[in-house]
Amino acid sequence: DAGVTQSPTHLIKTRGQQVTLRCSPKSGHDTVSWYQQALGQGPQFIFQYYEEEERQRGNFPDRFSGHQFPNYSSELNVNALLLGDSALYLCASSLGGFQNTEAFFGQGTRLTVV
Amino acid sequence: SQKIEQNSEALNIQEGKTATLTCNYTNYSPAYLQWYRQDPGRGPVFLLLIRENEKEKRKERLKVTFDTTLKQSLFHITASQPADSATYLCALYRGSTLGRLYFGRGTQLTVWP
Repeated sequence: DAGVTQSPTHLIKTRGQQVTLRCSPKSGHDTVSWYQQALGQGPQFIFQYYEEEERQRGNFPDRFSGHQFPNYSSELNVNALLLGDSALYLCASSLGGFQNTEAFFGQGTRLTVV
Repeated sequence: SQKIEQNSEALNIQEGKTATLTCNYTNYSPAYLQWYRQDPGRGPVFLLLIRENEKEKRKERLKVTFDTTLKQSLFHITASQPADSATYLCALYRGSTLGRLYFGRGTQLTVWP
């Protein structure tokens, strides 16, 4: 049973560019949440997708957008990259939109903006 | 907004001793509190979950307590081993539908032989 998989694992982009990160949830899970983790900080919630819709959003600008596909996989898009967007981006999957059980995280995508 | 504080950024203890990590929160009382382990460059891995109506939970060498009056959770690792060295994250879930997790910044634990 595959867990949560994210791609790519590492990425280097130039300021002003756009990036797309991908996530496949754990088998049987239908909800995907995205988190940003800066160095030395805890993960910060970006948004959550359930039934192909953004259901909840954290305090992130509109440059951050996403999508969920019918197979429950998800993409995170960031436009007009800033140096401050450099971080580990984590995808977490769960079932039914709830977080009253454990969240399964992927290994993350390390994004470096230069 | 929800604020979570983990008492120290780093904790160093000797192998065999008990490590105690603290998580304090303000504002809203969570319905669930979770602890995760994170190794460098990896995603967090779930360890334990405790509900607001539970006082204590155990799993092997791990124990977590939850005091809603003090707004505090304690996480204990007994008989610690060097392999327990990692960053431990506290996360709160408020219980609303389609809820999100609020994370603390973590405590980096180092267990030396």
